Amino acid sequence: GAVVSQHPSWVICKSGTSVKIECRSLDFQATTMFWYRQFPKQSLMLMATSNEGSKATYEQGVEKDKFLINHASLTLSTLTVTSAHPEDSSFYICSALGRQGRGTFGSGTRLTVV
Amino acid sequence: GENVEQHPSTLSVQEGDSAVIKCTYSDSASNYFPWYKQELGKRPQLIIDIRSNVGEKKDQRIAVTLNKTAKHFSLHITETQPEDSAVYFCAARSLLEYGNKLVFGAGTILRVKS
Repeated sequence: GAVVSQHPSWVICKSGTSVKIECRSLDFQATTMFWYRQFPKQSLMLMATSNEGSKATYEQGVEKDKFLINHASLTLSTLTVTSAHPEDSSFYICSALGRQGRGTFGSGTRLTVV
Repeated sequence: GENVEQHPSTLSVQEGDSAVIKCTYSDSASNYFPWYKQELGKRPQLIIDIRSNVGEKKDQRIAVTLNKTAKHFSLHITETQPEDSAVYFCAARSLLEYGNKLVFGAGTILRVKS
């Protein structure tokens, strides 16, 4: 149980374009979704927290207009990186929190902006 | 907010020896402390967790200890094997923060030499 699917696993996009990353909880309802960013050889940095049906709460320093988060249902959350630039290249990973209290990570998305 | 410090940043041990990684946290309201193992390019995998009403938890070769008074917790791996080589992250959850978010330590690169 507690499986989280994240797509795509990797994406290469041109500078200035937008990229959407999906995170789905397959066998449980995710009351809360967390989105993290991880640069090489660094820890996971929380970007934002979202609850189903409400606006996401962004961490300090994270631009909400650049990283759009939608949590429209208890099983799906999306992160859209708008007007991507090379410095946005990173490993993005979601974590879904179910009622059992444990977070389950998605498989991550390697974003490369060229 | 919560702050988690993790030491050491790198750890090399001989196969069969024990490895210990330590974390301290700042928010006394934190009550959930998971440990994750992350292999290169993959998602973090939960390997063990402990709640604040327990002082120690063991699962085969892995154990975690928690000292609430001192606000630190440790991961112990016994009889290390080459496949234990990975990056290990500790985390703490602060109930005072919106969404029960996890705050991660900086990570420890564990190398098990055969």
